[in-house]
Amino acid sequence: AQSVAQPEDQVNVAEGNPLTVKCTYSVSGNPYLFWYVQYPNRGLQFLLKYITGDNLVKGSYGFEAEFNKSQTSFHLKKPSALVSDSALYFCAVRRTGANNLFFGTGTRLTVIP
Amino acid sequence: GAVVSQHPSWVICKSGTSVKIECRSLDFQATTMFWYRQFPKQSLMLMATSNEGSKATYEQGVEKDKFLINHASLTLSTLTVTSAHPEDSSFYICSARDRRLAQETQYFGPGTRLLVL
Repeated sequence: AQSVAQPEDQVNVAEGNPLTVKCTYSVSGNPYLFWYVQYPNRGLQFLLKYITGDNLVKGSYGFEAEFNKSQTSFHLKKPSALVSDSALYFCAVRRTGANNLFFGTGTRLTVIP
Repeated sequence: GAVVSQHPSWVICKSGTSVKIECRSLDFQATTMFWYRQFPKQSLMLMATSNEGSKATYEQGVEKDKFLINHASLTLSTLTVTSAHPEDSSFYICSARDRRLAQETQYFGPGTRLLVL
């Protein structure tokens, strides 16, 4: 079985401050981990993924995420938040050999001007 | 990056009618496409996996006779909601995986909002 937990429904951060959106996962074998962002009434946009290699992954729009195997976490981070980063963020996991993604419940990020 | 389109972007229909939603990969070939459903303020729930040239694989609890999926080519999959009812109103999102990449990323369409009156 596989699962993804995003413990925070809502994250508020002031513009210019660093942001973190948390994600923990449970999956058998080596995980493929993804972050997607969704703007209102839009589909999901791919931000970044971890497959193998360096634990720190850099993605689109200045976002990065750190894979921590011991803590089974894949938190999304950005050094300086922008108001335009306000959106719904989904963490997803795919088990090696599996076909589909399994999504977390999403975290709504609000960046306050 | 890879682009996935969906058509229509929104549709309003009467109860009992059928609605077809198209999902196209515009600049890559996708042997596998996925159909998701998203309710307000909830996550995406996988409905079915669509493989080119074969029958779709449906998730538990999804009625295959109600949600007909056809993956006729490497760039097109369709979802038909048959005899739609108000409870079928939702945001339907497709995604496609680029067959060329070893550890493929799923690319998502913009979604189709369905409202059944």
